Amino acid sequence: QKEVEQDPGPLSVPEGAIVSLNCTYSNSAFQYFMWYRQYSRKGPELLMYTYSSGNKEDGRFTAQVDKSSKYISLFIRDSQPSDSATYLCAMHLLSQGGSEKLVFGKGTKLTVNP
Amino acid sequence: SQTIHQWPATLVQPVGSPLSLECTVEGTSNPNLYWYRQAAGRGLQLLFYSVGIGQISSEVPQNLSASRPQDRQFILSSKKLLLSDSGFYLCAWSVAGIGTDTQYFGPGTRLTVL
Repeated sequence: QKEVEQDPGPLSVPEGAIVSLNCTYSNSAFQYFMWYRQYSRKGPELLMYTYSSGNKEDGRFTAQVDKSSKYISLFIRDSQPSDSATYLCAMHLLSQGGSEKLVFGKGTKLTVNP
Repeated sequence: SQTIHQWPATLVQPVGSPLSLECTVEGTSNPNLYWYRQAAGRGLQLLFYSVGIGQISSEVPQNLSASRPQDRQFILSSKKLLLSDSGFYLCAWSVAGIGTDTQYFGPGTRLTVL
């Protein structure tokens, strides 16, 4: 079982739709959870960051973490064509040796049609 | 504010040729630095990370190497490129310290090995 599973899509929705993007994980040692947005041929940019179970809202974006189910989600309300991108979930792992790393999902490609 | 630069933006190289990709960070001191490769359908693969000058950790054994000659400079190299080295190479930085591993990515270098 891979550490982080993310449905690659592609996902196509009409403008104004509510989008739900999800990742599951198997390692209970993950402490922090992030969502990155990556436009075509660009580097990923940090979108949301959270470290506890529950919801975190930022404008049209809501990040949800359920540590008991090992499941995280990103919701986009009133989706816009400019939201068309690949969305990557990432999880922070602190190893016993003190090293840190992020484990990424493979990304979900989203297209919002005008 | 902090900025991260990568060059070149695009590179086409023949098999067996050497490689040198450069990454520099501005506006911060003693950052953690990372090299990732992103191949189609395979997500982000961590190649190297560095917590200080001359300190390099390798995540995946391969024909690539990394060096950090200065605090905010990170270089990815190869003596002989393989076809399988083609991909999108991303440099990232994070603030040094346990539990602060939010990573910020550069614009990337698209490498094609022919």
